[in-house]
Amino acid sequence: AQKITQTQPGMFVQEKEAVTLDCTYDTSDPSYGLFWYKQPSSGEMIFLIYQGSYDQQNATEGRYSLNFQKARKSANLVISASQLGDSAMYFCAMRESAGGTSYGKLTFGQGTILTVHP
Amino acid sequence: DTEVTQTPKHLVMGMTNKKSLKCEQHMGHRAMYWYKQKAKKPPELMFVYSYEKLSINESVPSRFSPECPNSSLLNLHLHALQPEDSALYLCASSQASGGRGNQPQHFGDGTRLSIL
Repeated sequence: AQKITQTQPGMFVQEKEAVTLDCTYDTSDPSYGLFWYKQPSSGEMIFLIYQGSYDQQNATEGRYSLNFQKARKSANLVISASQLGDSAMYFCAMRESAGGTSYGKLTFGQGTILTVHP
Repeated sequence: DTEVTQTPKHLVMGMTNKKSLKCEQHMGHRAMYWYKQKAKKPPELMFVYSYEKLSINESVPSRFSPECPNSSLLNLHLHALQPEDSALYLCASSQASGGRGNQPQHFGDGTRLSIL
């Protein structure tokens, strides 16, 4: 079963508008972390934002915010004031508690390609 | 600029060649990862090193051989690869989180590998 689901293969947004990229997840672990990464065509995976399962407030990082709805198991990324440079593939990922080990496996969704139009 | 450096950026090799991919980080991270990524797909985990010891091998074929000489370096030795191994290979590192899961993985730019 898919642990991370991104239902939007592609999204389009006008420059300076806001856009929401959807992500739902499935886990029975009470302790987990949710991450969003951006991957431009150059290939580098750029970490954008993190939300922990016990965090009371939604995470924000500059123009990025995470709409975390724990009961619905969703962690949507909101990008405000879109810029042409935001055009890229966006991945949602989850890391579960890893059983107390010192690392954690990331499970990625299939990704959403965002295109920003001028 | 990325804090995880991967070399080379591009590699073309024949199926009988032996080559190595290199990854270096100076962030003091004690967990390092190799991923394989096909075009328009998510990265697939291959190996995890934690404190220089191999912790996870995701049933990767033996033609891929990882090595972690010290806490800053991670190598991936390649031998007798197949055309289907052509992909982007990403290295990542993270702090040892003690299982709290709140430390992001930092990725390099990747090596684009083509097998002829």
